[in-house]
Amino acid sequence: SQTIHQWPATLVQPVGSPLSLECTVEGTSNPNLYWYRQAAGRGLQLLFYSVGIGQISSEVPQNLSASRPQDRQFILSSKKLLLSDSGFYLCAWSPGQATTNYGYTFGSGTRLTVV
Amino acid sequence: GDSVTQMEGPVTLSEEAFLTINCTYTATGYPSLFWYVQYPGEGLQLLLKATKADDKGSNKGFEATYRKETTSFHLEKGSVQVSDSAVYFCALSGGSQGNLIFGKGTKLSVKP
Repeated sequence: SQTIHQWPATLVQPVGSPLSLECTVEGTSNPNLYWYRQAAGRGLQLLFYSVGIGQISSEVPQNLSASRPQDRQFILSSKKLLLSDSGFYLCAWSPGQATTNYGYTFGSGTRLTVV
Repeated sequence: GDSVTQMEGPVTLSEEAFLTINCTYTATGYPSLFWYVQYPGEGLQLLLKATKADDKGSNKGFEATYRKETTSFHLEKGSVQVSDSAVYFCALSGGSQGNLIFGKGTKLSVKP
């Protein structure tokens, strides 16, 4: 069966520090991968998605970046965090084939607080 | 472009009350429709889905019917429990990549 792992679960970082959040998927090949952010009391904001190794699409320009160094690994990074980067970050995956019926499977999320 | 509109919350109900959370959509083509649930501090979980018109998705006592004529996918449950307290997201599959488009979420609080 497929599983998605996201870590760390909680992170407190000072302003201006770097960030690296990691997401890995097991039990499937060539998944589509997604990073979302959820600010407190707000909806979901799609940040990045990837359909293959090295292929990253950015939905919102900001000081975050994403990389996909391996087929089932998706990394969210920042060189210098801002206070506004605080939020709940969610990774998700869906089958790589162009199917609209499957939906996404989400990780358990990372709570980032920038202080 | 494709979009999803959910009723704004928060919704507060007493235990055993009937629940309806409205969801309407705008889409070209024939999208699949989904309801996700997010319990406090957790990621989103797929609650139910429907892939074509008149399909009814159901799970854990929740139901939603894909109504093409009214472009709606309202979530219902006959008798809510305190454990149903969560944020509920309606979504559709759209775009060239089939990416999910989410509504803004509706927070449900159920009081004992």
